Amino acid sequence: GAVVSQHPSRVICKSGTSVKIECRSLDFQATTMFWYRQFPKQSLMLMATSNEGSKATYEQGVEKDKFLINHASLTLSTLTVASAHPEDSSFYICSARGSGVSTDTQYFGPGTRLTVL
Amino acid sequence: GEDVEQSLFLSVREGDSSVINCTYTDSSSTYLYWYKQEPGAGLQLLTYIFSNMDMKQDQRLTVLLNKKDKHLSLRIADTQTGDSAIYFCAESKGFQKLVFGTGTRLLVSP
Repeated sequence: GAVVSQHPSRVICKSGTSVKIECRSLDFQATTMFWYRQFPKQSLMLMATSNEGSKATYEQGVEKDKFLINHASLTLSTLTVASAHPEDSSFYICSARGSGVSTDTQYFGPGTRLTVL
Repeated sequence: GEDVEQSLFLSVREGDSSVINCTYTDSSSTYLYWYKQEPGAGLQLLTYIFSNMDMKQDQRLTVLLNKKDKHLSLRIADTQTGDSAIYFCAESKGFQKLVFGTGTRLLVSP
């Protein structure tokens, strides 16, 4: 149980395009989802926390107009990187916490590698 | 503030025990976690411990917590080549956000 998927696993796009990444909880209802960014050989940096049906809470320094988060249902959250630029290239990982599983822990997706040319 | 530190690298031989250390600064942390990340993949939760515990054992994994010194360790017994990965410790207060350590790259040689 407690499986989180992400789609796509890898995306390459041109500078200026927008990219949408999906995060799904497959066998539980995710009341809270988290979006992280990881640069090569570095730790995870929390970007934002989203609760189902409400606006995301962004960490300091993260542009909410750049990284649009939608958590419209209990099993799906999306991160849209608007007008992506090469400096947005990174590994994006989501995690989910919710009912039906241990509410103490976050379950992580496999990540999405974004490369902006 | 919150700060979680780990040593960057550990190399062991197959069959030996590995001990990965972590220190944190937030004394109000209630949960401490160990995650494993293989190349190009997400994070796999290995184990976690409540802050009112000082030890937890789960098969080959032993977690030790010294709350006074704010020191957490993960011991992997009989380390295998498949254990080679990056290991992150993390802390949280209740259901709040996770704060991750810098990660320790474990290399297991045959």
